[in-house]
Amino acid sequence: GDSVTQMEGPVTLSEEAFLTINCTYTATGYPSLFWYVQYPGEGLQLLLKATKADDKGSNKGFEATYRKETTSFHLEKGSVQVSDSAVYFCALSDLSQGAQKLVFGQGTRLTINP
Amino acid sequence: GAGVSQTPSNKVTEKGKYVELRCDPISGHTALYWYRQSLGQGPEFLIYFQGTGAADDSGLPNDRFFAVRPEGSVSTLKIQRTERGDSAVYLCASSPKRRHQPQHFGDGTRLSIL
Repeated sequence: GDSVTQMEGPVTLSEEAFLTINCTYTATGYPSLFWYVQYPGEGLQLLLKATKADDKGSNKGFEATYRKETTSFHLEKGSVQVSDSAVYFCALSDLSQGAQKLVFGQGTRLTINP
Repeated sequence: GAGVSQTPSNKVTEKGKYVELRCDPISGHTALYWYRQSLGQGPEFLIYFQGTGAADDSGLPNDRFFAVRPEGSVSTLKIQRTERGDSAVYLCASSPKRRHQPQHFGDGTRLSIL
C-alpha cells in the first residue's frame, strides 16, 4: 500500500537557521502531496500542498517541490523563527486510485531556540 | 467561520465500556474523515463518508469500531468493549467534494482507557 517516510526527529535549530525536513513516498498511482503542521496545543493545519510533478507548494516562507523522479517532497525554509516550533507531517492522497484518505508520515518535531 | 468541532475533548473510561465520539464538520462539507493518532505517530485513517454513506471503511481495525453519519452532517464514532490499546487521539476532518481540496481537522478527542 501507499506509505510516507519522514526524516526522524526531533530536530533542534537556532533561530534564522536553514531548515530541511526530508519526506519520501511510495504510491501505486499519482498522489497529491501535503505538509501539515501541528502547533503546541492546536489541531492539524494544512501548511502547503502540490498536486502534480514539479509543482512547488509554498506558505509562510516554507516551500516543498513535488519530485516524481525521486518520489520526494522535502520541506524547506530559509530562516526559521521560534514560532515555527511544531510537529510537521508529510502526507499523500492518491486520488488516481479513488482514495480520498490521507496517508501520513510519523511526524518530525521541530524546536527552534532563540 | 466555524471549524470542525469534536466533542468531548477528553474522555476517560474503563476497559470494556462503550464510548461515542462526536464530530461536527464545517458547514457545507460533504466529505468527512476519521483518523486515529497514537502517541508519537502520524494520524492513521479509519473511515471516510461522502454524504451519509461510508465510502471507505478499510481503516477500521475490527468490528468493535463503527461510525455513522445519518443526515450527512454530524458523525459519531462508536467503540464497543473498549481495550487499553484503543487509547489515542481521535481526529475528525472534513472537506468539500471537489478534487484536491484539503481536509480541515478538528482538535481531536483524547481517549484514555484505564
